[in-house]
Amino acid sequence: QQQVKQSPQSLIVQKGGISIINCAYENTAFDYFPWYQQFPGKGPALLIAIRPDVSEKKEGRFTISFNKSAKQFSLHIMDSQPGDSATYFCAALGGSNYKLTFGKGTLLTVNP
Amino acid sequence: DGGITQSPKYLFRKEGQNVTLSCEQNLNHDAMYWYRQDPGQGLRLIYYSQIVNDFQKGDIAEGYSVSREKKESFPLTVTSAQKNPTAFYLCATNLGGWTNVLTFGAGSRLTVL
Repeated sequence: QQQVKQSPQSLIVQKGGISIINCAYENTAFDYFPWYQQFPGKGPALLIAIRPDVSEKKEGRFTISFNKSAKQFSLHIMDSQPGDSATYFCAALGGSNYKLTFGKGTLLTVNP
Repeated sequence: DGGITQSPKYLFRKEGQNVTLSCEQNLNHDAMYWYRQDPGQGLRLIYYSQIVNDFQKGDIAEGYSVSREKKESFPLTVTSAQKNPTAFYLCATNLGGWTNVLTFGAGSRLTVL
């Protein structure tokens, strides 16, 4: 049972473009939504996170947009750079077992 | 990475053999976690421990075992009962509580021949 659906599975963007990764969830008990970035051969690292009481959070070139009514949230990477090429995971926390549930990941490639 | 040492980095195992993956941390974090990563499958929780001498099953604990005898160490044993053990295994820690930032190790890649 996949509780967090992430799309697309892979994404190719030109340098300077906007990368957008989307996630959807069903469990309304989720109350914390982090995004992780993973480079090849490394463990994931927290990139940015949001709680459902705000609709947007921005940190540098990275922005989370959150739509509580639609149960969707997305990561926007502005002015994408080749160094942003990595796998991105969304996640959600909450529910009866109160553990982090990860999406399946998006492989982002930013071409120079 | 970040005070978490996973070893070995690569491991090959024959079918029917148990193997233990090491995770050591010097971050003084209370909680430790084991995740399994498969291509296109995201991260799935195997076991976690919020305190020494206590641990809980995650979503895919079957065929795995852990121990938490010391705060710094949380080894994972992949047993012969695990039907599809080939994967990338990640150890993580935090101060405790799921909203605290998880710090991941660099991972161990297990291949069953």
